[in-house]
Amino acid sequence: AQSVTQPDIHITVSEGASLELRCNYSYGATPYLFWYVQSPGQGLQLLLKYFSGDTLVQGIKGFEAEFKRSQSSFNLRKPSVHWSDAAEYFCAVGHPNFGNEKLTFGTGTRLTIIP
Amino acid sequence: DVKVTQSSRYLVKRTGEKVFLECVQDMDHENMFWYRQDPGLGLRLIYFSYDVKMKEKGDIPEGYSVSREKKERFSLILESASTNQTSMYLCASSLQGRYEQYFGPGTRLTVT
Repeated sequence: AQSVTQPDIHITVSEGASLELRCNYSYGATPYLFWYVQSPGQGLQLLLKYFSGDTLVQGIKGFEAEFKRSQSSFNLRKPSVHWSDAAEYFCAVGHPNFGNEKLTFGTGTRLTIIP
Repeated sequence: DVKVTQSSRYLVKRTGEKVFLECVQDMDHENMFWYRQDPGLGLRLIYFSYDVKMKEKGDIPEGYSVSREKKERFSLILESASTNQTSMYLCASSLQGRYEQYFGPGTRLTVT
């Protein structure tokens, strides 16, 4: 069965510093990959997605992610974080073999921004 | 923009009550999903529907049922609420053949 690992439960970053959130997946084929963000008390918002092609994908709010097949990873990055980036971030995977366009989510990484 | 709405943001119910959580999407999406979100566990799929009156169990369907009588509406039913169903419930929708899911704001349910 497929699985998604977000090894960092909580990350604290200073405002203006760079950010990298880790995501690893376990699946035989290359899945479809997603990052979502959840602000406090809100639903999830799609940041970016990868299906195929260029392994560096750009998303909203200045985020990008890089797919590395050799490492089964899809890490999320931002060069300079803003206080408004404080939220929980979820990585998710999907694949036609999972059935019916379902996604499997990681357990999330909570991001705290300090002034 | 896709809009997914959920009937309540906060709900408090007593043990044994029947609870209905409603979700409505306005973009003619075929697929609709119910998840529960708990700290440290991420999002877990309860039920999924890929068409009107069609449903499929997710990873944790026990204690829940669903109803989809109209394409835009997907209801989650707790037949007899229990304290271990206290959680955040998230509804999502997507187009058939597409994997991007669009989420509602969530309903925080407390069962006392």
